[in-house]
Amino acid sequence: EAAVTQSPRNKVAVTGGKVTLSCNQTNNHNNMYWYRQDTGHGLRLIHYSYGAGSTEKGDIPDGYKASRPSQENFSLILELATPSQTSVYFCASGDAGGINYAEQFFGPGTRLTVL
Amino acid sequence: GDSVTQTEGLVTVTEGLPVMLNCTYQTAYSDVAFFWYVQYLNEAPKLLLRSSTDNKRTEHQGFHATLHKSSSSFHLQKSSVQLSDSALYYCALSSMATGGNNKLTFGQGTVLSVIP
Repeated sequence: EAAVTQSPRNKVAVTGGKVTLSCNQTNNHNNMYWYRQDTGHGLRLIHYSYGAGSTEKGDIPDGYKASRPSQENFSLILELATPSQTSVYFCASGDAGGINYAEQFFGPGTRLTVL
Repeated sequence: GDSVTQTEGLVTVTEGLPVMLNCTYQTAYSDVAFFWYVQYLNEAPKLLLRSSTDNKRTEHQGFHATLHKSSSSFHLQKSSVQLSDSALYYCALSSMATGGNNKLTFGQGTVLSVIP
């Protein structure tokens, strides 16, 4: 069954520490996305990728880096975590192509708490 | 850039009654596609329905929506809600503003709470 999986599902980090969130997809989609979800803000795009080796800045990239080493894997990296980055993070994958193919398939989310 | 507005943060409806969740948008492009996602508690968002055709009603799982480009709206409706419809609902837009990379612009989300 095609799916998007994320690890870890829950993470507690300390301020100033490095955090890596991982995402794997078996949908064979070219595009992958990282969002954070906060009450009142909805889903906000952090970084996205068109394919292996590519990363692009989304709407709120500050404080985050991304890495796409393969078609299947897309990581979000917080080099110096801050309490303001406490949130739920979702990874998604989607087809390339026209706007009618813009459906995205989401992973289960990672709840990150930065103390 | 594109923007999507969901004006209600929380909508509370009694079971069996109708509901409409509002979604309006701004974009400079005429070619647009719209999506409604539903997210149940502690689950991932998943697609509920989509549309890119003006004035055409789209239905799925008892919900329906019609894209009205004249009023820049894509409201979600259901004639009789069930307790199981309680969830967070997102409206999202894709347009050529994203350069064909299929980014979605999401609204802020509306929590639908169905009470007995």
